[in-house]
Amino acid sequence: TQLLEQSPQFLSIQEGENLTVYCNSSSVFSSLQWYRQEPGEGPVLLVTVVTGGEVKKLKRLTFQFGDARKDSSLHITAAQPGDTGLYLCAAYSNDYKLSFGAGTTVTVRA
Amino acid sequence: DTGVSQNPRHKITKRGQNVTFRCDPISEHNRLYWYRQTLGQGPEFLTYFQNEAQLEKSRLLSDRFSAERPKGSFSTLEIQRTEQGDSAMYLCASSLAGAAPNRISPLHFGNGTRLTVT
Repeated sequence: TQLLEQSPQFLSIQEGENLTVYCNSSSVFSSLQWYRQEPGEGPVLLVTVVTGGEVKKLKRLTFQFGDARKDSSLHITAAQPGDTGLYLCAAYSNDYKLSFGAGTTVTVRA
Repeated sequence: DTGVSQNPRHKITKRGQNVTFRCDPISEHNRLYWYRQTLGQGPEFLTYFQNEAQLEKSRLLSDRFSAERPKGSFSTLEIQRTEQGDSAMYLCASSLAGAAPNRISPLHFGNGTRLTVT
């Protein structure tokens, strides 16, 4: 069973639309990370959320950590083709092992 | 900071052959990880090194897989008697223990080695 469940698995939208992807778990985490991965490259860290209820903004991306620290969401406003990629959430299951969700593949059509 | 470097970028091999991949982490990073990723899926943890010590191996890592990190610098991942199911992207990542609380340290990934077993 996956420690982190991401939904939806695929998302295809038109440029300028908004989108939200979700990351859920039955476990409580001390922190959660979001990465973006483009084809042929490794994942790159976008943000780390630490406090329950925390909201972080990175330009048009808004990240929220659930109050109970079991879930998180990523919202993209006015998506652009450059936002296309695989969005991954990840959390440590112990002091060194970072586990990933299966990811959401986002395609933004021009 | 030249980032994490992985070689080769692509490897095509025939079933039954052995392959070896190399990872050069960011120089001051003492933690090194290997992950495997199939198309459209998230990376799956394979193994972890703290300096030269291999501290955990996933159940995904069969006896045909071996990883080393001599002298706590670069690492190699060898797959013996490759099978078609080994076809995947093999990602290496590194981080610095102690730079931040353990459970928020980001991983810095290389661009992976894509293995195709025919």
